[in-house]
Amino acid sequence: SQTIHQWPATLVQPVGSPLSLECTVEGTSNPNLYWYRQAAGRGLQLLFYSVGIGQISSEVPQNLSASRPQDRQFILSSKKLLLSDSGFYLCAWSPLRHTIYFGEGSWLTVV
Amino acid sequence: DQQVKQNSPSLSVQEGRISILNCDYTNSMFDYFLWYKKYPAEGPTFLISISSIKDKNEDGRFTVFLNKSAKHLSLHIVPSQPGDSAVYFCAASALDTDKLIFGTGTRLQVFP
Repeated sequence: SQTIHQWPATLVQPVGSPLSLECTVEGTSNPNLYWYRQAAGRGLQLLFYSVGIGQISSEVPQNLSASRPQDRQFILSSKKLLLSDSGFYLCAWSPLRHTIYFGEGSWLTVV
Repeated sequence: DQQVKQNSPSLSVQEGRISILNCDYTNSMFDYFLWYKKYPAEGPTFLISISSIKDKNEDGRFTVFLNKSAKHLSLHIVPSQPGDSAVYFCAASALDTDKLIFGTGTRLQVFP
């Protein structure tokens, strides 16, 4: 069966520090991968999605970037965090065109 | 531009009664719609979906209705149970994309 894992689960980072959130999917190949963010009152906002290695689409201009160095690995990064980057970050994968499945989420608090 | 809207941020329903969660969309290219359920500090889990060629899909206590002319869908939960208390997100995708666009969510509370 397919599983998705993301880490770390929680982190507290000072403003201006770098960020790296990692996500891996097991039990499938060539999945579509996504990074979403849940911020207060904003629902689930799509940040990045990828249909293959090295192929990244950015949905909103922001202080974050994403990379897909391997087929089943998706990384969310920032060189310098802002207070507004705080939120609940969710990695997700999709085996088909429509339904996506989410990881456990990562709480980021920028202080 | 919010293409998928859930105008009710919260809903409170008594156990055993019907819960109706609503969702509106603006993009006529959307052809597939989904509902997700989310508990605090967890990732959303898929509940039920519907294709635009249908107007109803049922799975146990959950039924999704789609009104294409009104660009409206709803999720009915009957009977509602305390374990249904969570945030519900509707989502939509269009034919030419691999993306899911989510609404802002509705917090459902089912009380005894």
